[in-house]
Amino acid sequence: DAKTTQPPSMDCAEGRAANLPCNHSTISGNEYVYWYRQIHSQGPQYIIHGLKNNETNEMASLIITEDRKSSTLILPHATLRDTAVYYCIVRLTYNQGGKLIFGQGTELSVKP
Amino acid sequence: IAGITQAPTSQILAAGRRMTLRCTQDMRHNAMYWYRQDLGLGLRLIHYSNTAGTTGKGEVPDGYSVSRANTDDFPLTLASAVPSQTSVYFCASSPRGGQGLHNEQFFGPGTRLTVL
Repeated sequence: DAKTTQPPSMDCAEGRAANLPCNHSTISGNEYVYWYRQIHSQGPQYIIHGLKNNETNEMASLIITEDRKSSTLILPHATLRDTAVYYCIVRLTYNQGGKLIFGQGTELSVKP
Repeated sequence: IAGITQAPTSQILAAGRRMTLRCTQDMRHNAMYWYRQDLGLGLRLIHYSNTAGTTGKGEVPDGYSVSRANTDDFPLTLASAVPSQTSVYFCASSPRGGQGLHNEQFFGPGTRLTVL
């Protein structure tokens, strides 16, 4: 199981912030939260990851709640090219191979 | 240009035939992965390799085999293809598999396989 829950779809107006939620209520202390996205017909692309602290890079910001049971990916100024399926993933620990288990993701549609 | 490549881009295959999907990376990544993606099911891990010479089973390994003779190549073989193996197959690599450290995976462009 992916151990994450995301809404199946969301819409966002171009130029506005897109806030994509994810629940991971069974996350353990040394598991990371990763976000990937997949633009139609392409391979998934890494966006950002975090453990406890909020993180920001050139693509997005990641806000993780203090209890780590949920997180939000923020695309500050969404563009049409951000239309994609966004996957929130809890990275398994070493004993489970450190693999990524993809769930269903959220299909984000950015509209003009 | 550094990256990860897959071949073929697409293939139509008769059931019962043997097929090998190729995956090559030139980033000297230790870990490599094979996923399949099906409508409504998302990406599912088939097999992985944390380092050359080792492999492991993912979520859906049945009907597939892999080998990792060197760092760069990670072929996926369907010994006797069946229609349920019709899917898009993605290969990925990461600098390291396993514990603790950041494990960004880089994905190839995919292979679209149809088994009739």
